[in-house]
Amino acid sequence: DVKVTQSSRYLVKRTGEKVFLECVQDMDHENMFWYRQDPGLGLRLIYFSYDVKMKEKGDIPEGYSVSREKKERFSLILESASTNQTSMYLCASSLNGRPYNEQFFGPGTRLTVL
Amino acid sequence: AQSVTQLGSHVSVSEGALVLLRCNYSSSVPPYLFWYVQYPNQGLQLLLKYTTGATLVKGINGFEAEFKKSETSFHLTKPSAHMSDAAEYFCAVSVASNTGKLIFGQGTTLQVKP
Repeated sequence: DVKVTQSSRYLVKRTGEKVFLECVQDMDHENMFWYRQDPGLGLRLIYFSYDVKMKEKGDIPEGYSVSREKKERFSLILESASTNQTSMYLCASSLNGRPYNEQFFGPGTRLTVL
Repeated sequence: AQSVTQLGSHVSVSEGALVLLRCNYSSSVPPYLFWYVQYPNQGLQLLLKYTTGATLVKGINGFEAEFKKSETSFHLTKPSAHMSDAAEYFCAVSVASNTGKLIFGQGTTLQVKP
């Protein structure tokens, strides 16, 4: 079974802090994704990566950056956390970029920025 | 550009009743369609997907969905609801590119009453 793990289930940070969210997958997937989930808005793509050191912006990249130094690990960085970044963050991976491949999701990190 | 609309942000059914969750999509190319379920405090889990071939797709936990091209719909059904089906359900369409990106609907919360 594909397993996608996220470093924290719950996180509380203060405004202005630098925040790292880590995601690891164990199935040698090429593609990895970061979403944020807010009530009534569904899932919105922040960034995705299709290879090591390769990344592309999603629909809402402002205020975020990412890093993928190893194939299995994809990190989301909030350079200076703000209260409007309080949200549920979901990481996902897929085998490759073929459109018929499903994405496998981690359990999510609920981030609160005070 | 692809898009997904889920009709009804909340659906309430009685235990044993038919479950019908509606999803309409927009796509300029033959779509690949997905239904995911999210149980409280968990990540998303794939219920089923349509790629090509048979338009009636069977998934896990007794759910199925029918792809209707003429209606641009991919509604999710289950003949008899269980209490354990209470969750949030997301319909998604694959972006027409080799990125593996998905576009998600806003989600429908299913409540099952005893």
